Amino acid sequence: GQNIDQPTEMTATEGAIVQINCTYQTSGFNGLFWYQQHAGEAPTFLSYNVLDGLEEKGRFSSFLSRSKGYSYLLLKELQMKDSASYLCAVSSYNTDKLIFGTGTRLQVFP
Amino acid sequence: DGGITQSPKYLFRKEGQNVTLSCEQNLNHDAMYWYRQDPGQGLRLIYYSQIVNDFQKGDIAEGYSVSREKKESFPLTVTSAQKNPTAFYLCASSIELGRSSSYNEQFFGPGTRLTVL
Repeated sequence: GQNIDQPTEMTATEGAIVQINCTYQTSGFNGLFWYQQHAGEAPTFLSYNVLDGLEEKGRFSSFLSRSKGYSYLLLKELQMKDSASYLCAVSSYNTDKLIFGTGTRLQVFP
Repeated sequence: DGGITQSPKYLFRKEGQNVTLSCEQNLNHDAMYWYRQDPGQGLRLIYYSQIVNDFQKGDIAEGYSVSREKKESFPLTVTSAQKNPTAFYLCASSIELGRSSSYNEQFFGPGTRLTVL
């Protein structure tokens, strides 16, 4: 089967750095997505990793280790608008579907 | 502007009534999806469609039905058989089904919050 684990909630201070972890178990791994979702709104795409290593995109970076079944999303220079849920989703060759984690709710405080 | 629209944003229905949620996209995407989101749970897939006139059950299809008569439209009907229909419903689309890549991410609509009274 497939399983994805993320912390339920995290808090951080404006201007700080936060790392949101995601561990997964799946057969036929075929990529991992991170999405941002503000309360009551649609998820929006942040990043995609299929090879090991770090992908940097502005203040956001995403890391993948396929051997460990592990990814993290790194948010730098946190802003109040970064308060949102962050969803980890895994794609598998064995299915046409994305499997989503429960999401990590991040609260940024002044 | 290209995108996905869902309507209405908020919907109230009485128990026992069927209700249809609309989803339209003008991105020329082949694949479309319906998810349900409940507090404390991840997105759960209800139905998905690869092409017109074809759709597949997701993980929680019971009590739901869909149609895909046009490429741009993928309406979801929540039937009276759905035991706990109150939830946030999200429609998504992607260029194609299954191929995972940085260009084939799923684009989501704004969602419909359904409350059954």
